[in-house]
Amino acid sequence: NAGVTQTPKFRVLKTGQSMTLLCAQDMNHEYMYWYRQDPGMGLRLIHYSVGEGTTAKGEVPDGYNVSRLKKQNFLLGLESAAPSQTSVYFCASSPLEPEGRYEQYFGPGTRLTVT
Amino acid sequence: GESVGLHLPTLSVQEGDNSIINCAYSNSASDYFIWYKQESGKGPQFIIDIRSNMDKRQGQRVTVLLNKTVKHLSLQIAATQPGDSAVYFCAERTGGSYIPTFGRGTSLIVHP
Repeated sequence: NAGVTQTPKFRVLKTGQSMTLLCAQDMNHEYMYWYRQDPGMGLRLIHYSVGEGTTAKGEVPDGYNVSRLKKQNFLLGLESAAPSQTSVYFCASSPLEPEGRYEQYFGPGTRLTVT
Repeated sequence: GESVGLHLPTLSVQEGDNSIINCAYSNSASDYFIWYKQESGKGPQFIIDIRSNMDKRQGQRVTVLLNKTVKHLSLQIAATQPGDSAVYFCAERTGGSYIPTFGRGTSLIVHP
């Protein structure tokens, strides 16, 4: 059981370039999330999904797009990268609430630098 | 808007001491609280949770206390070990929402 995996682990982009971050989970979770974490800051929600084929905006969605074509995968796209998008990106997933417990399982993160 | 925040950004303790990490929240509708631990270079990991109908919950070496009157919760770590060094986040959720709100985090440094 790999849990939540993220690809790639590191990436350097030039301003204006595009890229896609891939998140995969093998726990059959319904919900998936993309967060960004900046130094000294908490986690800020970019987009999330409550099921296959559905997506919704979070706190900081501008400049990002997402897709959830398969239940186990959640893709985060940057169409035209900007230096302000330099950050560490975390994907997370969570099940429906078994036994009343709400827990998010996080991936190891992707460190993105935009120059 | 409503927010979850932490009183201290950094906490330094000696190995073996007890640690207390505090968290204030402002949304009176929050009914579920979670503590996460984030080690350097890793994603956050669930530690313990508590619902608003409780005021205390204990786990292995950790205790969470909730004071709804002053909208405050704390994470107590007994006999702190070097492996406890990490950033600790509190998060809160309101009923019916799948989306938690995270605080800024407290860095716990354990000195041997």
